[in-house]
Amino acid sequence: DSGVTQTPKHLITATGQRVTLRCSPRSGDLSVYWYQQSLDQGLQFLIQYYNGEERAKGNILERFSAQQFPDLHSELNLSSLELGDSALYFCASSPTSGRTNEQFFGPGTRLTVL
Amino acid sequence: TQLLEQSPQFLSIQEGENLTVYCNSSSVFSSLQWYRQEPGEGPVLLVTVVTGGEVKKLKRLTFQFGDARKDSSLHITAAQPGDTGLYLCAGSRSNDYKLSFGAGTTVTVRA
Repeated sequence: DSGVTQTPKHLITATGQRVTLRCSPRSGDLSVYWYQQSLDQGLQFLIQYYNGEERAKGNILERFSAQQFPDLHSELNLSSLELGDSALYFCASSPTSGRTNEQFFGPGTRLTVL
Repeated sequence: TQLLEQSPQFLSIQEGENLTVYCNSSSVFSSLQWYRQEPGEGPVLLVTVVTGGEVKKLKRLTFQFGDARKDSSLHITAAQPGDTGLYLCAGSRSNDYKLSFGAGTTVTVRA
């Protein structure tokens, strides 16, 4: 158990819908990262928040957005969903944005768009 | 194109055999990590290496960071079925908050 929690575990929805994925980082960790993992793309970095502020952006679509709240939990919002958005979404946390950047991953949310 | 290239992509061996997975890049990394991921679960951090030439051991797993900090290898001695999984290397460059992941090596150890 990494100490990172994600809800829900599974999510099934239809095209065009909007969903929210939730992540609680390890106690004391200030950074939260979101990743998308699909069979053909591997693990793709989406976005990072550090202590409530956006720190880095990766291959995140404009239909996707995220935020980190004062209690440090984070939410990833996916809208106008398409079939291709079906994937595993992981949240990871780390204590700092320092040199080693060790990240601890949650169990993931499996999103299926029908 | 991936910043970190892993090879081989797939590896299937018999229990008791040794294996090596490689992670290469043309970029210099301030640190490099190895993760193992099982189907449907999140990646689990195995080790972090930060110094060129560094070697770290975790039971039957040996990790090495290249002298120039551009490559790394993972060697498993006397592999067991419990070593089966997707092995991912990930690197962090100076002044870059992102962690870049390789595509992964799927290891299958047959009993």
